[in-house]
Amino acid sequence: DAKTTQPTSMDCAEGRAANLPCNHSTISGNEYVYWYRQIHSQGPQYIIHGLKNNETNEMASLIITEDRKSSTLILPHATLRDTAVYYCIVRRWGSQGNLIFGKGTKLSVKP
Amino acid sequence: DSGVTQTPKHLITATGQRVTLRCSPRSGDLSVYWYQQSLDQGLQFLIQYYNGEERAKGNILERFSAQQFPDLHSELNLSSLELGDSALYFCASSVEFSGNTIYFGEGSWLTVV
Repeated sequence: DAKTTQPTSMDCAEGRAANLPCNHSTISGNEYVYWYRQIHSQGPQYIIHGLKNNETNEMASLIITEDRKSSTLILPHATLRDTAVYYCIVRRWGSQGNLIFGKGTKLSVKP
Repeated sequence: DSGVTQTPKHLITATGQRVTLRCSPRSGDLSVYWYQQSLDQGLQFLIQYYNGEERAKGNILERFSAQQFPDLHSELNLSSLELGDSALYFCASSVEFSGNTIYFGEGSWLTVV
């Protein structure tokens, strides 16, 4: 699975869009980008995933660059409850084994 | 609510003791995963079961063991407990074998004193 690089921490004002970047320059053609988040001491929560097209669901949008070497998770109107650690994971669909969680980005949404 | 149920939510026990953590996966999910998260470590994968069979093993200590029963619930057994085993233990489940999209429970807090 390709390695990912995320900023250690970010701040965002409540009500504004939170844009969380992820670099995955060694991603291969059959690897997807997954995003999870973990609100303090709760179980990690699946957010969204994508291969090459932009994706949107009720929680967030995922923008993947054309060369697929980086992506951005967008929370359109961040709330205080979005304060969490966000993990970007790159993985081949159907590969065996476990998801590997790195250190992620600690997003702090401030009033 | 992810649909994954873990019990107990909190547990305090002494060194040398043995505990069992229980997990009920989401309805219809065949894969169960166990993760450990301690204060100074990230989420560490321990083990995966799929439809009753062990499928993947991570950094699980020999003192730890797990199993998945015919009704698909799973148990993680931790024995000869040490202070360093104090951690949050998560169970997760997924429909598919590969486990790309998995759903976590709320965890079991284990404190070893």
